[in-house]
Amino acid sequence: DTEVTQTPKHLVMGMTNKKSLKCEQHMGHRAMYWYKQKAKKPPELMFVYSYEKLSINESVPSRFSPECPNSSLLNLHLHALQPEDSALYLCASSQDPGVQNEQFFGPGTRLTVL
Amino acid sequence: AQSVTQPDIHITVSEGASLELRCNYSYGATPYLFWYVQSPGQGLQLLLKYFSGDTLVQGIKGFEAEFKRSQSSFNLRKPSVHWSDAAEYFCAVGVRGTASKLTFGTGTRLQVTL
Repeated sequence: DTEVTQTPKHLVMGMTNKKSLKCEQHMGHRAMYWYKQKAKKPPELMFVYSYEKLSINESVPSRFSPECPNSSLLNLHLHALQPEDSALYLCASSQDPGVQNEQFFGPGTRLTVL
Repeated sequence: AQSVTQPDIHITVSEGASLELRCNYSYGATPYLFWYVQSPGQGLQLLLKYFSGDTLVQGIKGFEAEFKRSQSSFNLRKPSVHWSDAAEYFCAVGVRGTASKLTFGTGTRLQVTL
């Protein structure tokens, strides 16, 4: 299995809602990432998990809360988002956090904040 | 800090014509280099990567790229473009000796005319 899956595919939420994005990989990768991508822009790194521990937080607002329950799962909890947070949220994984490996991306979750 | 420049925002080629997408990087040592492709509303797919060794790298879908240290470039090429190649192409650089953190270029949108 060489796939990163993300659910849901689309999500619409109000500014007072709480929702979660889910990412899963079964490639045995020990590094997992969340990216945010606005239209016509490159992905922007948000968080990196290495061996299920948060290793990089790119100064992301606290309304975004990542969680890595195990080596295969990565969640992004959303609360009190703003309309400017509407974007494509991409999850990725790579084999070894200590080595520069290629990252495998999921299809993304298209988030709309009303 | 490392950076990536993709000078062409938008390129249009005819189906069957050859293609070259430009990528220049800035980094003090030999970087890890990647090309990713993204279809509208989708995740990123890795086309090819350069870590070391042979400077001409073969990838999927008939793409190749050449690493030229003297020009700090890693241009992507394809001898004959197919209509299905229309997409956004991102060049990315990773830094040796750190966790798998990528810096992306701004992307080049490829349009293919029939």
